[in-house]
Amino acid sequence: GNSVTQMEGPVTLSEEAFLTINCTYTATGYPSLFWYVQYPGEGLQLLLKATKADDKGSNKGFEATYRKETTSFHLEKGSVQVSDSAVYFCALSKSGGSNYKLTFGKGTLLTVNP
Amino acid sequence: EAEVAQSPRYKITEKSQAVAFWCDPISGHATLYWYRQILGQGPELLVQFQDESVVDDSQLPKDRFSAERLKGVDSTLKIQPAELGDSAMYLCASSGPGIGLYEQYFGPGTRLTVT
Repeated sequence: GNSVTQMEGPVTLSEEAFLTINCTYTATGYPSLFWYVQYPGEGLQLLLKATKADDKGSNKGFEATYRKETTSFHLEKGSVQVSDSAVYFCALSKSGGSNYKLTFGKGTLLTVNP
Repeated sequence: EAEVAQSPRYKITEKSQAVAFWCDPISGHATLYWYRQILGQGPELLVQFQDESVVDDSQLPKDRFSAERLKGVDSTLKIQPAELGDSAMYLCASSGPGIGLYEQYFGPGTRLTVT
């Protein structure tokens, strides 16, 4: 079946540091890939997505590139801010007819200190 | 900005009691999802509706869980009887307007604690 593996947390960084959160996936065919963010006390929000190989998703300074050869979708940001502190989830969606359910990784807690 | 509404936000119940959660999706969204998120894990799909029809309930523990979306708008997820292992965050999401890879919008969730 489909699965997503992301790096274990927690990750603690100082403000303006570089961020990488690794994500790899297992799926047949060509899934769509997503990063969701969950701020404390809130629901999940879509951060960025990529729907085909070599696509780069980007939003709010975050980027991730769909690498089919390594089945990866690593999240990066050049300079993190305190407000980026949250839990980040990598996810995939593989259509099965009318079913577009998301399969999530376990999440990575990021804490950014001033 | 339209949002997915869920209630209650928090629920504490005793083992063997019944509990129900409500979700109101974004207007016009045909697809509604219920996910369960155990602490420290990613969300897992319990049930997906397309309008009022169930598309996927393969991971729904049907001996104790039920879900309905009678008019294809809001939805209710019920657990009877609740067990200690049901303690989790229950998330509702919606997407639309039709079938396809649309962005899923999540509500704030209902945090259930079973004692």
